[in-house]
Amino acid sequence: GEDVEQSLFLSVREGDSSVINCTYTDSSSTYLYWYKQEPGAGLQLLTYIFSNMDMKQDQRLTVLLNKKDKHLSLRIADTQTGDSAIYFCAERTDSWGKLQFGAGTQVVVTP
Amino acid sequence: ETGVTQSPTHLIKTRGQQVTLRCSSQSGHNTVSWYQQALGQGPQFIFQYYREEENGRGNFPPRFSGLQFPNYSSELNVNALELDDSALYLCASSPRGVGELFFGEGSRLTVL
Repeated sequence: GEDVEQSLFLSVREGDSSVINCTYTDSSSTYLYWYKQEPGAGLQLLTYIFSNMDMKQDQRLTVLLNKKDKHLSLRIADTQTGDSAIYFCAERTDSWGKLQFGAGTQVVVTP
Repeated sequence: ETGVTQSPTHLIKTRGQQVTLRCSSQSGHNTVSWYQQALGQGPQFIFQYYREEENGRGNFPPRFSGLQFPNYSSELNVNALELDDSALYLCASSPRGVGELFFGEGSRLTVL
């Protein structure tokens, strides 16, 4: 995941908004993804954004894409304890299935 | 939930042995990719298959090999296991060219 960088840890209070940030390097990325991983589990696709979009909203989730700065963010509104997990940012540069992942951001939600 | 199923869920092997991991892709998905996730790290791309042909490979040695079958299910084979092969192996499927890419729950391999 050297080409995709994320902060390693985020602590947030229940009910607040969380913002997880990610930077990537490949300007030819076609899609950018956010996945959630809970302990001992696989990756759950939260949302993804096509590279020609700036924003995508899906219920509590808002994705912002700044192509100029190669910056992607995920905002979770009204964060709940069930949102505690590791969140991975990933970029896709082909039309197949090759993703480049970041190292993940551990989100801890406190009451 | 995602329709991607993997087996076995857990297994333990010793150094030098061989292992086969299996993946059934989501219905209608003709592209399968495999990833290795070491503890505390993000997943690393191993290879991907489209219509039974390997069409992309990451930085993994030839002892990592795979197959895709006509029903789009897939296998990952690892020969001459090393301690560093201990990891969660994830399979993902997608329709070619479309955004959604779904992962299974993974197979956790421990090499002793």
